[in-house]
Amino acid sequence: GAVVSQHPSRVICKSGTSVKIECRSLDFQATTMFWYRQFPKKSLMLMATSNEGSKATYEQGVEKDKFLINHASLTLSTLTVTSAHPEDSSFYICSARYPGGDTEAFFGQGTRLTVV
Amino acid sequence: GQNIDQPTEMTATEGAIVQINCTYQTSGFNGLFWYQQHAGEAPTFLSYNVLDGLEEKGRFSSFLSRSKGYSYLLLKELQMKDSASYLCAVVDSNYQLIWGAGTKLIIKP
Repeated sequence: GAVVSQHPSRVICKSGTSVKIECRSLDFQATTMFWYRQFPKKSLMLMATSNEGSKATYEQGVEKDKFLINHASLTLSTLTVTSAHPEDSSFYICSARYPGGDTEAFFGQGTRLTVV
Repeated sequence: GQNIDQPTEMTATEGAIVQINCTYQTSGFNGLFWYQQHAGEAPTFLSYNVLDGLEEKGRFSSFLSRSKGYSYLLLKELQMKDSASYLCAVVDSNYQLIWGAGTKLIIKP
């Protein structure tokens, strides 16, 4: 199946700093990528839909200025957590689907963010 | 609103069979996925149903009834490694994935 690579897998940062997470589709072009956040023992929560060449579409309640998403190419989307706080500590996962929308979602490995 | 219901947790015995149910109410339907997720890892694809009926894939089978808004995942010959969360996700009319909260499956020897 298709491969989506997410980096880094784990990151620890100090409160107030910014962290960038990369999501790459390695063997297909993803015009759309999705960013999820997952709290312990909870399901995936869609944060935003990243569209190549245009602004991301954020879900209600997600701060656009805090979670910056850039989808500059057909194979790369980035999520930057700005001015991170301990409550931003979570598991962040990206996913992408083949164009068409009705196929399985391929997931990155996820990033465990810990803000201290 | 859109809603997907799954049991929060289930327990089964190694070697046995378990059925995990998923009911949904969504704006449109373009398919239903089952994913497996081990703790601390990303979900992995198990199955995709878009037509009514049973899809069998090795020890795992998935069933769909669109008229009832119902699906189940059937796991046979359970192994300890099957201990994980199982997520049901529906593709709605906008081709967005709507996720259930997941069912934590505990396998006991």
